[in-house]
Amino acid sequence: DTAVSQTPKYLVTQMGNDKSIKCEQNLGHDTMYWYKQDSKKFLKIMFSYNNKELIINETVPNRFSPKSPDKAHLNLHINSLELGDSAVYFCASSQDLVTGELFFGEGSRLTVL
Amino acid sequence: GQNIDQPTEMTATEGAIVQINCTYQTSGFNGLFWYQQHAGEAPTFLSYNVLDGLEEKGRFSSFLSRSKGYSYLLLKELQMKDSASYLCAVRERWNTDKLIFGTGTRLQVFP
Repeated sequence: DTAVSQTPKYLVTQMGNDKSIKCEQNLGHDTMYWYKQDSKKFLKIMFSYNNKELIINETVPNRFSPKSPDKAHLNLHINSLELGDSAVYFCASSQDLVTGELFFGEGSRLTVL
Repeated sequence: GQNIDQPTEMTATEGAIVQINCTYQTSGFNGLFWYQQHAGEAPTFLSYNVLDGLEEKGRFSSFLSRSKGYSYLLLKELQMKDSASYLCAVRERWNTDKLIFGTGTRLQVFP
């Protein structure tokens, strides 16, 4: 069973379109995240949710809107896509506040043309 | 500000030992993490240090010196499958799950 799963794995779209990436975790964790990894492999946090509540929002354009219908799901919707949005988007979850270990999904590679 | 530095690339030979360094300057510190990421895959957790010293876990060890803002990941008896990127990450405050990642070190192991 996949612990953190994201769909789609690949997404190719035109500038200006709106797209969504879905994430689900079956680990029973309370906290979920979205991270963005750019072409230089730099991994940067975008959002975190704890039990459906937004905890971290890191200076992300408001074209990006996360939604957490329940604590096992955290979706990412992106409006008016731009070329610079091309990246791999990783969903992650964690439970252990002491070690803070993150469990990542396999990533969703977004290419904006 | 936040700054986490790692070498961009390293190469090593199968069976050898390699040390990947990480230096950090952050506004706070409450733990340093190492993650491994194979090409095209998700990062996976390797180790966590919050106190000074060495943590050993099989072929991998991680060291931390908080006074120097320095950590290293030591990989022994290198195998081809250890070819991957190794990401250093710092948690600034204990009551947050936010990790700040370095740009990663791409390690290539040759036969």
